[in-house]
Amino acid sequence: NAGVTQTPKFQVLKTGQSMTLQCAQDMNHNSMYWYRQDPGMGLRLIYYSASEGTTDKGEVPNGYNVSRLNKREFSLRLESAAPSQTSVYFCASSPFKSGTEAFFGQGTRLTVV
Amino acid sequence: GNSVTQMEGPVTLSEEAFLTINCTYTATGYPSLFWYVQYPGEGLQLLLKATKADDKGSNKGFEATYRKETTSFHLEKGSVQVSDSAVYFCALSDIQGAQKLVFGQGTRLTINP
Repeated sequence: NAGVTQTPKFQVLKTGQSMTLQCAQDMNHNSMYWYRQDPGMGLRLIYYSASEGTTDKGEVPNGYNVSRLNKREFSLRLESAAPSQTSVYFCASSPFKSGTEAFFGQGTRLTVV
Repeated sequence: GNSVTQMEGPVTLSEEAFLTINCTYTATGYPSLFWYVQYPGEGLQLLLKATKADDKGSNKGFEATYRKETTSFHLEKGSVQVSDSAVYFCALSDIQGAQKLVFGQGTRLTINP
């Protein structure tokens, strides 16, 4: 009953540090996504992976990289963190079929100081 | 491009009041439409969805009807409870490719006893 699992749940970084946010899903979904949530702005897509072996930029990709390690796992990397990347990050997955919903992880609250 | 506009919040109601949260969209073609709910400290959960014009999605007493002529998907509930306090997001899915979700900015709902 795990669904989408994200780690860590909380993280504080200093400006310029790097880190990787991990995401894994156990629903055999083809597509995976990374969103960031900022107050008053809803969720904005950072990167997505339509299927294993492919990744594409979303609305706000600058400062991030991703890796689709296998069908289950999709990681998000911040190479040199900036205060503007302070946000809540959500990973999601979906079956890649029209009309189907996405399933979300619990989120990672990241603060860059 | 595709976009979603939601009623601005926050919205505060008394228990048993009638709820409407407005949502309008701009999209090419016929996207699927969704309402997600986010309870404090949690990820997003699907509340309801509609995949074609005139469809009505419903769940937990909430309803929304896909209105193509007005490009709207307003969320309604006849009698709200304190437990409905949460942030509500309207979203549409890209009808091609990876089914990316485009979100509105979210509406924070608080129900007072």
